[in-house]
Amino acid sequence: ETAVFQTPNYHVTQVGNEVSFNCKQTLGHDTMYWYKQDSKKLLKIMFSYNNKQLIVNETVPRRFSPQSSDKAHLNLRIKSVEPEDSAVYLCASSYKFSAETLYFGSGTRLTVL
Amino acid sequence: SQLAEENSWALSVHEGESVTVNCSYKTSITALQWYRQKSGKGPAQLILIRSNEREKRNGRLRATLDTSSQSSSLSITATRCEDTAVYFCATAGTGGYKVVFGSGTRLLVSP
Repeated sequence: ETAVFQTPNYHVTQVGNEVSFNCKQTLGHDTMYWYKQDSKKLLKIMFSYNNKQLIVNETVPRRFSPQSSDKAHLNLRIKSVEPEDSAVYLCASSYKFSAETLYFGSGTRLTVL
Repeated sequence: SQLAEENSWALSVHEGESVTVNCSYKTSITALQWYRQKSGKGPAQLILIRSNEREKRNGRLRATLDTSSQSSSLSITATRCEDTAVYFCATAGTGGYKVVFGSGTRLLVSP
């Protein structure tokens, strides 16, 4: 049963455009994450939030900015996309900060032309 | 570098056979996680095995953990076509605030 919802499923855009992805979890979790998955299926953590506060900010380009309005929502904005941003962006949540189990959404596939 | 790493990039078996995916990790852990990702979906946790456990089962799945060699394995018995997926091992980093995934093992189960 899906409990982490991501929109859109797919997005195709041109280099230099701005895009935003949305994520909502209905599990009542305190912690949410953004992961980037490349074409080789490699999963890299980008950000994690705990109760709307940024906790983990991996080395990602400054054009990426996460936004959290409440602990159930975590969005991702990319200003001026680059071709290397083409990937699947996966949102996840966990019960608490210890992150023993992550629950993932189905991802947003971004293609930058 | 990855904190956890599967030892095989891809495996292929026929339905009904058993298969084992191996994982090695580089840091002390409180738990090791196994995930499966099917095409078009996000990863889903299969088994969480804690550092004080040596083995854990979940139906046809069996995970083992050897903290002395810093390795883990996930075995699937009586494989089915729907087991076709990418299998990841994962560990929590220092402080447990982020989960780091291995590069995954692609398993193909054919009829």
